[in-house]
Amino acid sequence: GQQVMQIPQYQHVQEGEDFTTYCNSSTTLSNIQWYKQRPGGHPVFLIQLVKSGEVKKQKRLTFQFGEAKKNSSLHITATQTTDVGTYFCAGRGSSNDYKLSFGAGTTVTVRA
Amino acid sequence: GAVVSQHPSRVICKSGTSVKIECRSLDFQATTMFWYRQFPKQSLMLMATSNEGSKATYEQGVEKDKFLINHASLTLSTLTVTSAHPEDSSFYICSARKTGLITGELFFGEGSRLTVL
Repeated sequence: GQQVMQIPQYQHVQEGEDFTTYCNSSTTLSNIQWYKQRPGGHPVFLIQLVKSGEVKKQKRLTFQFGEAKKNSSLHITATQTTDVGTYFCAGRGSSNDYKLSFGAGTTVTVRA
Repeated sequence: GAVVSQHPSRVICKSGTSVKIECRSLDFQATTMFWYRQFPKQSLMLMATSNEGSKATYEQGVEKDKFLINHASLTLSTLTVTSAHPEDSSFYICSARKTGLITGELFFGEGSRLTVL
């Protein structure tokens, strides 16, 4: 199956600054999902990207799916303390594949 | 949104005993549920796929006789850690997908933290 790599593993951000986390797959993905896990909590679905080059925004969060459908990124602007947590990307190899391969996650801490 | 309930949230047991963890989809049917193990500050490691009415599909390296999975109904899957040892201590988390939506989002349970003494 595909391997999904995510960088950086840790991101320390000054409140108000922007940052980006990147996700790369060894193979082409049919779609990619992003989840957020707050400290002590469980992963919560954020968004799904399906189309090549797709860009979706959720307030200060911008998600992008690469043209080759092998990479994705999550960009957060004007970071707030509520953005603290671990962000996981998860890719599906084919449209019939019921399993998701999770990246290692990017753990975000915010300096006030 | 859909809710997945996992119980117990924390369990401490003695080495050699068995522990059962339940995963319930409260307001939707889930033909397929997934069981993960998560070590501190690490990603979700898929252990097995639980299929309603049939045998679970285990990932490579996961002992099926050690981690028994039963998916008896469309809303309940259970994971039993048999003859638990301290190395089995971990955070176990389940997820479910709504029946018929193979590409849909996953809804995660709250997780169960197992400590084996």
